[in-house]
Amino acid sequence: EAQVTQNPRYLITVTGKKLTVTCSQNMNHEYMSWYRQDPGLGLRQIYYSMNVEVTDKGDVPEGYKVSRKEKRNFPLILESPSPNQTSLYFCASSFRSRGINQPQHFGDGTRLSIL
Amino acid sequence: DQQVKQNSPSLSVQEGRISILNCDYTNSMFDYFLWYKKYPAEGPTFLISISSIKDKNEDGRFTVFLNKSAKHLSLHIVPSQPGDSAVYFCAAVAYSGAGSYQLTFGKGTKLSVIP
Repeated sequence: EAQVTQNPRYLITVTGKKLTVTCSQNMNHEYMSWYRQDPGLGLRQIYYSMNVEVTDKGDVPEGYKVSRKEKRNFPLILESPSPNQTSLYFCASSFRSRGINQPQHFGDGTRLSIL
Repeated sequence: DQQVKQNSPSLSVQEGRISILNCDYTNSMFDYFLWYKKYPAEGPTFLISISSIKDKNEDGRFTVFLNKSAKHLSLHIVPSQPGDSAVYFCAAVAYSGAGSYQLTFGKGTKLSVIP
């Protein structure tokens, strides 16, 4: 089954404790991205990757890091989480042909609470 | 600066009637538009898209209309069904140079279809 898998689905942690949210896709997609969804703000892109070892900032990259060492994985790293990073996070992937015009497949989301 | 606007946070429609969800954009570089549908506790799923060279695209009960001069697109659902109750996101794509694409989402419109 084609899917984008995020882990964990839920996490409560404390300010300053480094965390990683993993994202894996099994569709051989070149393009992967991370979004956060906040009430009244919709989906905002954090980082995206056009292919292995190629990453770029989205609209709200501050406080986040990503890496793309393998095609299937695109982890989101919060080196020193802060309460304003409490949010619902989505990972997505798509084929790159004509870039992200190909519809993205989304994971089911990771709800992060930073206390 | 919000480049993709969905000005109606919510919409209620009677089952069987037409649902019209609207989206306005400000960036004239957007050349591809997508609608995603999101149920609670799930990631967004792709619904329908339209290229800027077209003014209409239809897929079953779903039709997207694009008015480039007005920088406006709309999603029509006919007839509306209770299972269509979800949050609908409008998204727009622009080529941002060096092989990268900018994808911008609106804040979403929550559609409730009343049986």
